[in-house]
Amino acid sequence: SQTIHQWPATLVQPVGSPLSLECTVEGTSNPNLYWYRQAAGRGLQLLFYSIGIGQISSEVPQNLSASRPQDRQFILSSKKLLLSDSGFYLCAWSGGQGNSPLHFGNGTRLTVT
Amino acid sequence: TQLLEQSPQFLSIQEGENLTVYCNSSSVFSSLQWYRQEPGEGPVLLVTVVTGGEVKKLKRLTFQFGDARKDSSLHITAAQPGDTGLYLCAGYMDSNYQLIWGAGTKLIIKP
Repeated sequence: SQTIHQWPATLVQPVGSPLSLECTVEGTSNPNLYWYRQAAGRGLQLLFYSIGIGQISSEVPQNLSASRPQDRQFILSSKKLLLSDSGFYLCAWSGGQGNSPLHFGNGTRLTVT
Repeated sequence: TQLLEQSPQFLSIQEGENLTVYCNSSSVFSSLQWYRQEPGEGPVLLVTVVTGGEVKKLKRLTFQFGDARKDSSLHITAAQPGDTGLYLCAGYMDSNYQLIWGAGTKLIIKP
């Protein structure tokens, strides 16, 4: 069965510090991978998605970047965090076929102080 | 402007009551999905509806896709405290392979 791992679960970082959130998927090959940000109790904002190694599409201009160094690894990064980067970050994968559902990790709660 | 409008945004009711959550759009979707999310966790898929007019049941939850594939509803019968959570609808448009998300309905069921 497929599983998705996302870490860390919580993170407190000072303004101006770098960020690296990692997500890995097991049990499937060539998944579509996604990074979302979610405001408290609200819907999801797509940040980045990837249909293959090294292929990253950005949906929203921002202080963040994403990379996919391996087929089942997706990394969200920042060189210098801003206060506005605080939020709940979710990684997800899908099979890429029509109408495929998304399978989410348990998220990372990032607080920038 | 949200392509998918969910209503209500927030709903708090007593255990045993019935409720309906709506997901509406002026656009046609090839499919709609409903997810439920608990605090501190990622959303989990409940159901996918594909055919216009389709009705799917998941225990006390009934999901319906509109005939024109522009809207969907989630009806919960005899709500339980365990139904508490954030309910999100999301859809694939025929012309776009990216999921479009609603803003969510926060549901609280009081014992």
